[in-house]
Amino acid sequence: EDKVVQSPLSLVVHEGDTVTLNCSYEVTNFRSLLWYKQEKKAPTFLFMLTSSGIEKKSGRLSSILDKKELFSILNITATQTGDSAIYLCASTTQGGSEKLVFGKGTKLTVNP
Amino acid sequence: DGGITQSPKYLFRKEGQNVTLSCEQNLNHDAMYWYRQDPGQGLRLIYYSQIVNDFQKGDIAEGYSVSREKKESFPLTVTSAQKNPTAFYLCASSPGLAGGAQYFGPGTRLLVL
Repeated sequence: EDKVVQSPLSLVVHEGDTVTLNCSYEVTNFRSLLWYKQEKKAPTFLFMLTSSGIEKKSGRLSSILDKKELFSILNITATQTGDSAIYLCASTTQGGSEKLVFGKGTKLTVNP
Repeated sequence: DGGITQSPKYLFRKEGQNVTLSCEQNLNHDAMYWYRQDPGQGLRLIYYSQIVNDFQKGDIAEGYSVSREKKESFPLTVTSAQKNPTAFYLCASSPGLAGGAQYFGPGTRLLVL
């Protein structure tokens, strides 16, 4: 059974700290790994990673994939209170179904 | 504006009642999905559709039904057979077999009276 595991499940930091969120996966016919940010409602898309070792960056957020060790990390530098959210990791598989398998998420709280 | 809309925002269901959640997209995406989100459980796939007039069960399809008569629309019916329907329901769409991320609607929160 395909599985995505995120850690930690919950994290509390102070503004200005740097955080690293982890996502490991066991997926048959892996295609890509996606990161989403969920505040109150719909998850918003952050990154899609398909190749090992290539960092994707957007402002203070960055992410990288390791297909050999089957994990990805999401880094947030100089955190702000607006970064408080649940961060979701999901994998897709090759073979046409385009289903996403989600982890349970990491709840990040950034205190002033 | 392009996007995915869901309605209603909140929905109340009485015992034994079927209710239908609406999902519409104008992104010209082929694939659409329904997820259920419970606290501490992450998102679980209910049904998905890769093309009009075709859909497949996800991991937790029991007690739910869908239709895909139009490319833009993928309504979800929560039937009386679903014994624990209280949850946050999210609809998503993606370009489909061509690959690409899934994009989510704002969600519908279903509560049982």
